Formats: sequence, C-alpha cells, structure tokens
Amino acid sequence: DIVMTQTPLSLSVTPGQPASISCKSSQSLLHGDGKTYLYWYLQRPGQPPQLLIYDVSNRFSGVPDRFSGSGSGTDFTLKISRVEAEDFGVYYCMQSTQLPKTFGQGTKVEIK
Amino acid sequence: EVQLVESGGGLVQPGGSLRLSCAASGFSFSDYWITWVRQAPGKGLEWVGNMNPDGSDKYYVDSVRGRFTISRDNAENSLYLQMNSLRDEDTAVYYCARDGRPGSGFRAFDIWGQGTMVTVSS
Repeated sequence: DIVMTQTPLSLSVTPGQPASISCKSSQSLLHGDGKTYLYWYLQRPGQPPQLLIYDVSNRFSGVPDRFSGSGSGTDFTLKISRVEAEDFGVYYCMQSTQLPKTFGQGTKVEIK
Repeated sequence: EVQLVESGGGLVQPGGSLRLSCAASGFSFSDYWITWVRQAPGKGLEWVGNMNPDGSDKYYVDSVRGRFTISRDNAENSLYLQMNSLRDEDTAVYYCARDGRPGSGFRAFDIWGQGTMVTVSS
C-alpha cells in the first residue's frame, strides 16, 4: 500500500497569514496514463470532508484561489496564501493512483 | 440538488452484522463509481472500498475484505455496504462519496454524504 505522510500534523495560523502543508508518498503517484492522482480535502468539525484540489494542482469548483496545490512524483504541497476563518479544520491528502486509495494522517489547522 | 444520504448505522455487538445504505439524488447515479470511506472517532479517514457503475467491479481495503460486501441497485439509485463479522475496530462514521465516471480521468471524491455512525460494542 502507498503510505501518505503529512507534515506538520498541526499548524497554528493567524488569520491573514499564509500556511503550507506537505504530503509525501511512499511511491511515485505518477500513473501509467500520465496523470498524478493526488487530492486535498478539508474537513471542518462535524462535517464530511470536502474536495479542494484534484490531480495535484486543480482547484475544485467553488474553491477560492487562495488555495493552491503543487508537486510531482512523491512530494506535494498545499498552500493557502492568506488563511481565513472558514479555512480552519483538518486537511487530508489522498492518492488514487493505486488501490487501496490511501489518505494522509491529516493536518489540523487552528486559529492562533 | 446533488446529494448522498447514508442510513442504517447503529449499535451492534462484536461478531454481528449491519447493512448501510447510501441514497443518491440529483445526478445520474448509474454513471458513477461510488466509494465508502470511514472515520473512527477522533481519527483520520480510511478508504473502505468502491464499486463501478454497473456493479460488475468492486474493490476493498484488506482489513474488510471477506467481511464487507458492496452492492448497488441503480434502479433505486442506492449503494449498500453489508458488514458481517463486525469487530470493535470497525466502529466509525461511514461516509459514501461519489468517485468518478469511467473514462473521465476524474477520480476525486467530489460529493460526500453526512455519514452514519456504526458502533461495535458489547
């Protein structure tokens, strides 16, 4: 199974400041079809996860442009240019290149 | 409105069985893979398994293979998760999520239900 490792596991951020989360996979996420199936989700307390980024760097419909994803191979990053109150929660990376689909441990982003 | 609604959760004893349902509306259910994801209390997300649009293909994580069975009824726009031989470690909120259309190259879970809680305890 591909192991997804996120760092840091928690992050305290002042609203208006940037934030960055790293996700490393134990194997390359480059699929034989040339795509990299790496996703980012945000889960707010008491809510199901919601999709933010698909295929490494594509923002899902309705996701603000302060969110950006980057990376390739085994190293990926989610950046928030200026954190807002609605951005607090737990962020998960997930790979869908190989079964079983696997998630990172989650990074809790809290208000400083 | 595009949505998924899970039901069927509850309290069950170890070794018991439970069947979860996931009802879809607002989109063409029979065109999509659908997935089950679970989250133990205070823990992270774990992919459980998924099924292709016509029900001919399904995959499971090792920890549930042989105990859990995914099925679907496209006429009823519903997906099911039959859980047998339940263990304490199966205690979790179970979410169903839309998983993408064959050939689209899109494999993200873009629509999620609110989840249903399963508690395995004596």
